[in-house]
Amino acid sequence: GAVVSQHPSRVICKSGTSVKIECRSLDFQATTMFWYRQFPKQSLMLMATSNEGSKATYEQGVEKDKFLINHASLTLSTLTVTSAHPEDSSFYICSARPGGAVETQYFGPGTRLLVL
Amino acid sequence: EDQVTQSPEALRLQEGESSSLNCSYTVSGLRGLFWYRQDPGKGPEFLFTLYSAGEEKEKERLKATLTKKESFLHITAPKPEDSATYLCAVQALLPGGTYKYIFGTGTRLKVLA
Repeated sequence: GAVVSQHPSRVICKSGTSVKIECRSLDFQATTMFWYRQFPKQSLMLMATSNEGSKATYEQGVEKDKFLINHASLTLSTLTVTSAHPEDSSFYICSARPGGAVETQYFGPGTRLLVL
Repeated sequence: EDQVTQSPEALRLQEGESSSLNCSYTVSGLRGLFWYRQDPGKGPEFLFTLYSAGEEKEKERLKATLTKKESFLHITAPKPEDSATYLCAVQALLPGGTYKYIFGTGTRLKVLA
């Protein structure tokens, strides 16, 4: 149980284009989803927290107009990297929290983004 | 300031050589402590959640323990397939009843055959 999927697993795009990454909780409803970015050999950097039906809360230094987050349902959140540039190349990971008494986050497999 | 520190940063063990990874934390209100395993190029895989001091949980060769200041992840008779980065995270309560998750930087474990 508690499986989270991400799509795509890997994407290569040209500079200036937008890329959408989907995060789905497959066997539970997620009241809260999180989006992280991870650089090589570094820990997770929280970008934003999203609750279903409300606007995402972005961490300091993360541009909300650059990284658009939509948590449209209890099983789906999307991250859109708008007008991507090479410096946006990274490993993006989402996680989902079932809510209620369950505090654990369950992570997706990650999406490798390369912007040329 | 709320903080999570993991040690050592890297650890090399011979197969069968038991050891412990440390996660020390300083938070105003601990709601939960979590251990994850992360393989290169993959998302973290959930291992354990601990909620209160004195709590212990086991899974195969792994055992997690929790005190009021730190958590240990004990690895008994490790195998090469246990090689990974082990991440610790805490959920800290904030004023107003909200919370935040704080991740450590991880311990990179390499088990040699």
